[in-house]
Amino acid sequence: NAGVTQTPKFRVLKTGQSMTLLCAQDMNHEYMYWYRQDPGMGLRLIHYSVGEGTTAKGEVPDGYNVSRLKKQNFLLGLESAAPSQTSVYFCASNRAEANYGYTFGSGTRLTVV
Amino acid sequence: AQTVTQSQPEMSVQEAETVTLSCTYDTSENNYYLFWYKQPPSRQMILVIRQEAYKQQNATENRFSVNFQKAAKSFSLKISDSQLGDTAMYFCAFIPPGANSKLTFGKGITLSVRP
Repeated sequence: NAGVTQTPKFRVLKTGQSMTLLCAQDMNHEYMYWYRQDPGMGLRLIHYSVGEGTTAKGEVPDGYNVSRLKKQNFLLGLESAAPSQTSVYFCASNRAEANYGYTFGSGTRLTVV
Repeated sequence: AQTVTQSQPEMSVQEAETVTLSCTYDTSENNYYLFWYKQPPSRQMILVIRQEAYKQQNATENRFSVNFQKAAKSFSLKISDSQLGDTAMYFCAFIPPGANSKLTFGKGITLSVRP
C-alpha cells in the first residue's frame, strides 16, 4: 500500500530555474496539501486542494503554484526558484473528515543555490 | 486563528526513563482534534496519537499517552520506557472540525534518547 508518494526525493536547483514536485495518493482522498518544513519553523501550509480542479492558498503561498487536474495527483510548481525556497517539502492527504489526521509523503529536500 | 506552541526546542532522556513533551494551543473552538506526530531521521511524518477534545479520557497508545487539559489548552505527550528508536522530532498539531479546516503545527521539539 503506497499511500502518498512524492517525487523526487532530492533536488538541487540553480536560482531562477523552475521545477515541479509531484504528489500522488492512492487512498481516494479528497483533500491534499503541500507544506514546507524549515528549521525552527515547524510545518507551514503552502497550498491545498479540497477536490479535483480546486486549489487554495495557505499560509506561505508566494513563489509557488499548484494544480489538481486529477484527484490522485497534486503538483507543486516553482516558476523561478530562489534560495529562500530551500526547504523540505511535504505532501499530505486526508478524506473529507480530517479528524483522523493526515497521511504524509516522505518529503522532498530541495536546495536552491 | 489557531496557534500551537511548543516552547521546548530540545529535550534529552535516558533510555528506559519517562519523558514529557509540552504543547499548548489557542483556539476559540469548543470541539477540535489534537495530534502528536513523530519525525525520525528518515523524515517520514508518523502519527503517534490523537485526542478528541470532547472526550474527557486521555488517549493512550502503548508507551505513548497524553495529558489533555482542555481548560488550560494544554496537550502534553508522555513517553514511557523510552527507547533509542524514540529519538526524533515531535510535532504537536491542532485541527478544528469542518470541511475546510487545516492542520496547524507547532514548531517541534527534538528528543534525544541516550543509551
